[in-house]
Amino acid sequence: DADVTQTPRNRITKTGKRIMLECSQTKGHDRMYWYRQDPGLGLRLIYYSFDVKDINKGEISDGYSVSRQAQAKFSLSLESAIPNQTALYFCATSDGGQGSTDTQYFGPGTRLTVL
Amino acid sequence: AQSVTQLDSHVSVSEGTPVLLRCNYSSSYSPSLFWYVQHPNKGLQLLLKYTSAATLVKGINGFEAEFKKSETSFHLTKPSAHMSDAAEYFCVVSDWEPARQLTFGSGTQLTVLP
Repeated sequence: DADVTQTPRNRITKTGKRIMLECSQTKGHDRMYWYRQDPGLGLRLIYYSFDVKDINKGEISDGYSVSRQAQAKFSLSLESAIPNQTALYFCATSDGGQGSTDTQYFGPGTRLTVL
Repeated sequence: AQSVTQLDSHVSVSEGTPVLLRCNYSSSYSPSLFWYVQHPNKGLQLLLKYTSAATLVKGINGFEAEFKKSETSFHLTKPSAHMSDAAEYFCVVSDWEPARQLTFGSGTQLTVLP
């Protein structure tokens, strides 16, 4: 089984709808992240969480919210989806390793289309 | 603040020839550097990482990268390209602050010609 899973893998929705993307991990990591990928822009950080009680905004958090339900679960919500939120969304985890070795491991991605 | 510049958005090589994907970084501290690969319709897979140990880092599938502090570069190389190497490659920097967040380059699309 995959260590980091995302559901759904693909979603098409309409402008104004509320959408939730879910991420689960079995790696036992404390840290979890949400990114979005747009062509030619690489990945950009939306939110990150270093433990269940710690939530932080990333580079592009406007229009998004998150919930860390448990160590293993981190959900991303779009309260009112808009077309420019059409993107590929990735969840990642890391164990906050010693020194600078905090390697992140990525899920398979969720392709979201907002019409 | 940290940043990453991937100097080529597209690289095309023939199968069996060397691969060079170029990456320059900017960092205020001693960074960690990574290369990730993304195959079509797949997630990101870690190829290799530099964490202030040996400056020449070996990764999976025959890839390696050399950290050159004086040039602020972390170029990815492979002696002989294989068709299965066709993918998008991301150079990534992680600084101590803030909170060891990753900053991604914009990606290099590698095409391998038969």
